[in-house]
Amino acid sequence: DGGITQSPKYLFRKEGQNVTLSCEQNLNHDAMYWYRQDPGQGLRLIYYSQIVNDFQKGDIAEGYSVSREKKESFPLTVTSAQKNPTAFYLCASSIRESNTEAFFGQGTRLTVV
Amino acid sequence: QKEVEQDPGPLSVPEGAIVSLNCTYSNSAFQYFMWYRQYSRKGPELLMYTYSSGNKEDGRFTAQVDKSSKYISLFIRDSQPSDSATYLCAMVYTGGFKTIFGAGTRLFVKA
Repeated sequence: DGGITQSPKYLFRKEGQNVTLSCEQNLNHDAMYWYRQDPGQGLRLIYYSQIVNDFQKGDIAEGYSVSREKKESFPLTVTSAQKNPTAFYLCASSIRESNTEAFFGQGTRLTVV
Repeated sequence: QKEVEQDPGPLSVPEGAIVSLNCTYSNSAFQYFMWYRQYSRKGPELLMYTYSSGNKEDGRFTAQVDKSSKYISLFIRDSQPSDSATYLCAMVYTGGFKTIFGAGTRLFVKA
């Protein structure tokens, strides 16, 4: 079955640590996205990538980094510079020409301990 | 002012009721309007999208866009307990790439 797989489902980070969230898709989509979801707020765009080896900052990119070395994979690193990283992180993909239909992964819940 | 406003609820209705979920927006450049459903601790899934103004129906769901009022709605007929979820509206500019999401409305349908 085609879809997007995020791992891990739950992740705990100590203060000062970098952690990497995995996102893999087998939908053959060119575009991939990372969003952050906090209670009472809409999804906020962290980074997006329209093609391999290219990505752009979204609205809240500070403290995060990404790479897009393969079409199928778009990992997100939450660095120690991110002051409030506890949140629900969602990865999505879409065909490049239109993002009216984005397919989402099941999310990773990151908690700082 | 947020570009997209959505009442967070919660909205609680009895099974079988007609549910109306709404969003308002401020930028007339939005042309594509989407509704996503998100179950607790899951990723959102697209329910339907519409282009510009008008209505679109899919089973028990009807999406309505009123561009003159900058107002969109999602109606759910014969609501079921399985419809209990958070509903997110989302919008895209013409020729744009970035999607703007509402905060989501939590819906509870009681059996």
